[in-house]
Amino acid sequence: QKEVEQNSGPLSVPEGAIASLNCTYSDRGSQSFFWYRQYSGKSPELIMFIYSNGDKEDGRFTAQLNKASQYVSLLIRDSQPSDSATYLCAVNEVGSGNTGKLIFGQGTTLQVKP
Amino acid sequence: ETGVTQSPTHLIKTRGQQVTLRCSSQSGHNTVSWYQQALGQGPQFIFQYYREEENGRGNFPPRFSGLQFPNYSSELNVNALELDDSALYLCASSRLKGGSTDTQYFGPGTRLTVL
Repeated sequence: QKEVEQNSGPLSVPEGAIASLNCTYSDRGSQSFFWYRQYSGKSPELIMFIYSNGDKEDGRFTAQLNKASQYVSLLIRDSQPSDSATYLCAVNEVGSGNTGKLIFGQGTTLQVKP
Repeated sequence: ETGVTQSPTHLIKTRGQQVTLRCSSQSGHNTVSWYQQALGQGPQFIFQYYREEENGRGNFPPRFSGLQFPNYSSELNVNALELDDSALYLCASSRLKGGSTDTQYFGPGTRLTVL
């Protein structure tokens, strides 16, 4: 069973701090990794995608990928109360051909306290 | 806003009934994937449609079926509704090119409640 694991949280950080969200995956052949943000009662919104080992930065967000250790993380710098949401890690399923089937973790709830 | 639309936004049905959910993909996208998200869980892949044909299916029974139309919009049909079908149903739009699926963008979802 191919799995994506996330700590459900909640992860609580003070405003202005760095929030670190982590995700591990079981399928060593996975090539594409995504972070989605989901506010309560809303649908997932794409924040970042990463395909290569290392760091990828976009504004206050940095995605980190380590394929050897099979983990992907998301750092949020200068956290704001508006960042409070559930963050979903998603990994493409290897062997699904061109389907692009995504396997999601259960999400980590982030709370940024003013 | 992703440009992906879904209707209706909310729906209440009773056990045993049938439901049809609709999705319009983002301009330039040719592929629609459907996901089910139960409360407190991550989305689960139901199936994907490309060129009006099913292009991959998750672990869902045959009473979950779909269609894709020439304009790339799609429908999800669920027959013989069960209480456990209560969930947020998400449509994701993407492009299939060069043998691989591009990044998926989600619509606002349809909240289905089965009583």
